[in-house]
Amino acid sequence: GEDVEQSLFLSVREGDSSVINCTYTDSSSTYLYWYKQEPGAGLQLLTYIFSNMDMKQDQRLTVLLNKKDKHLSLRIADTQTGDSAIYFCAESVDTGRRALTFGSGTRLQVQP
Amino acid sequence: DVKVTQSSRYLVKRTGEKVFLECVQDMDHENMFWYRQDPGLGLRLIYFSYDVKMKEKGDIPEGYSVSREKKERFSLILESASTNQTSMYLCASNTHPGSGRTEAFFGQGTRLTVV
Repeated sequence: GEDVEQSLFLSVREGDSSVINCTYTDSSSTYLYWYKQEPGAGLQLLTYIFSNMDMKQDQRLTVLLNKKDKHLSLRIADTQTGDSAIYFCAESVDTGRRALTFGSGTRLQVQP
Repeated sequence: DVKVTQSSRYLVKRTGEKVFLECVQDMDHENMFWYRQDPGLGLRLIYFSYDVKMKEKGDIPEGYSVSREKKERFSLILESASTNQTSMYLCASNTHPGSGRTEAFFGQGTRLTVV
């Protein structure tokens, strides 16, 4: 079955790097996603990685994928107070299930 | 710009009321979803629809039903609202997985309080 796990909370100082981790269990994952949710809002797609890649960089964001360990991470460089939000990882699989499976979300708090 | 719109940001309903949550997408997506978000539990799938008049149960369908009469609109119905249905409800849509990436696009959420 599908299961996606994340730690619930991370606190960093402004200017430091943040690393948010995620583990998943389904080996048939095709794409893995990171979403950001600001207070009172819906989810916005931040970035994604295809399962045959091991790294993707997009400005301040770096996604690392270790497919052997089923571990995904999101690194935010030079973290700003505007990065304070809940970050969700999600996976889609090639078994026909059309819905993404989401982790519980990691609340990132950025201290000035 | 792609858009998923939920009809209400905030709703307060009484126990036992029938509640309708509406969602509209303008991306011609085949698939639409209703999730429920609760602290520490992440997003849990209630129902989804992969075509007009087609629906499938998600992980927590009890107490809910859905309706998809038109491709762009997906409604979530609470037949008889209860206090344990107080939550944030998120609608999403995506295209068929056969086309590759299936990232979901989300509405802004409806915070429902049942008193």
